[in-house]
Amino acid sequence: ETGVTQSPTHLIKTRGQQVTLRCSSQSGHNTVSWYQQALGQGPQFIFQYYREEENGRGNFPPRFSGLQFPNYSSELNVNALELDDSALYLCASSLDRVESQPQHFGDGTRLSIL
Amino acid sequence: AQSVAQPEDQVNVAEGNPLTVKCTYSVSGNPYLFWYVQYPNRGLQFLLKYITGDNLVKGSYGFEAEFNKSQTSFHLKKPSALVSDSALYFCAVRDMGGFQKLVFGTGTRLLVSP
Repeated sequence: ETGVTQSPTHLIKTRGQQVTLRCSSQSGHNTVSWYQQALGQGPQFIFQYYREEENGRGNFPPRFSGLQFPNYSSELNVNALELDDSALYLCASSLDRVESQPQHFGDGTRLSIL
Repeated sequence: AQSVAQPEDQVNVAEGNPLTVKCTYSVSGNPYLFWYVQYPNRGLQFLLKYITGDNLVKGSYGFEAEFNKSQTSFHLKKPSALVSDSALYFCAVRDMGGFQKLVFGTGTRLLVSP
């Protein structure tokens, strides 16, 4: 069973740039969620994709957007990067939006904004 | 809105001693509660969950958690700590908004000394 994989592991950008982060979900999982974890904080929910559609969103501005593909992999796109976007971005996958099922996390992409 | 609180930033325990990491929750309705562990430069690993049933939940790596409805608590426990248990521990509650959003606490750093 393949776990959740994310790429790249580290990324450095400057303010105003755009970035795309990628996630491959665990085998058999059709739901992907993205979280932002700032230094010293717990993860904050960005949004969730189920069968290629966004079906839930946290308190993040529209410059945070995403996609899910037919193979259930996903992308997180962030436009007009700001210094406060520096964080660890975590992808989590699960099955069928079942609320009792745990989400399985990748190791994240650490994004640094200069 | 659902929330969890982890009142201790850090817990120190000697190897071989029992450990407890505290978590309290605030939810409307029945809670779905989770514990995750994060090692340095890694994502979150699922330890255990409480959905319904027995108040004592057993999970991975010898961890267990006790659900207490009257005290709205879900404390993580282990009878005998290992140095390798040293990590960051997060309590989380499922948001009941119809999708799999997890609301995390701020985390507790566990330090097990030899």
